[in-house]
Amino acid sequence: KNQVEQSPQSLIILEGKNCTLQCNYTVSPFSNLRWYKQDTGRGPVSLTIMTFSENTKSNGRYTATLDADTKQSSLHITASQLSDSASYICVVSQVTGFQKLVFGTGTRLLVSP
Amino acid sequence: DTEVTQTPKHLVMGMTNKKSLKCEQHMGHRAMYWYKQKAKKPPELMFVYSYEKLSINESVPSRFSPECPNSSLLNLHLHALQPEDSALYLCASSQGTDTQYFGPGTRLTVL
Repeated sequence: KNQVEQSPQSLIILEGKNCTLQCNYTVSPFSNLRWYKQDTGRGPVSLTIMTFSENTKSNGRYTATLDADTKQSSLHITASQLSDSASYICVVSQVTGFQKLVFGTGTRLLVSP
Repeated sequence: DTEVTQTPKHLVMGMTNKKSLKCEQHMGHRAMYWYKQKAKKPPELMFVYSYEKLSINESVPSRFSPECPNSSLLNLHLHALQPEDSALYLCASSQGTDTQYFGPGTRLTVL
């Protein structure tokens, strides 16, 4: 069964601290993996995208890693800001003529002042 | 322009009403998607249009009726909805297998 599991479910950190979110997947065939940020009541916004051959991708204070052998990914947030408070969703894409996404359940991050 | 727009932002309707959600993109994307998202859950795929033709219907009840009038527009017609249909409805578009860009969503409440 195609699944994407994320941990932790929720996380509270102090402003300025770093954190790492985890994602394990069992999706096949695999096309790419994305991390999305979703503010409450808003649509998801893509942060990073990685294909099978990529190990690391950065976007500002966000750094994603991918280990295609163990089917694990992580999203590291550096020097967190209050505006980082959101849900972070790991999404694995299958290529089926169009793009079918398998969504993780997300990690709800709260950055506290 | 990497924006997907959705209207209205909020919609409250009764179970006997007929309403429509609208989605628009001008990125030249040929695939457009409707998702339903309940609180604290990931989005669930409802429909996929590819080149203005319905490609995927994920066993969605007939009270939801999608329409793609042209390559930039995607509608979702609603009729005789149930309170459990209350959710955030997201539209997305992509160029083939490239990144899906999501709209801000329509928050639907069915009374």
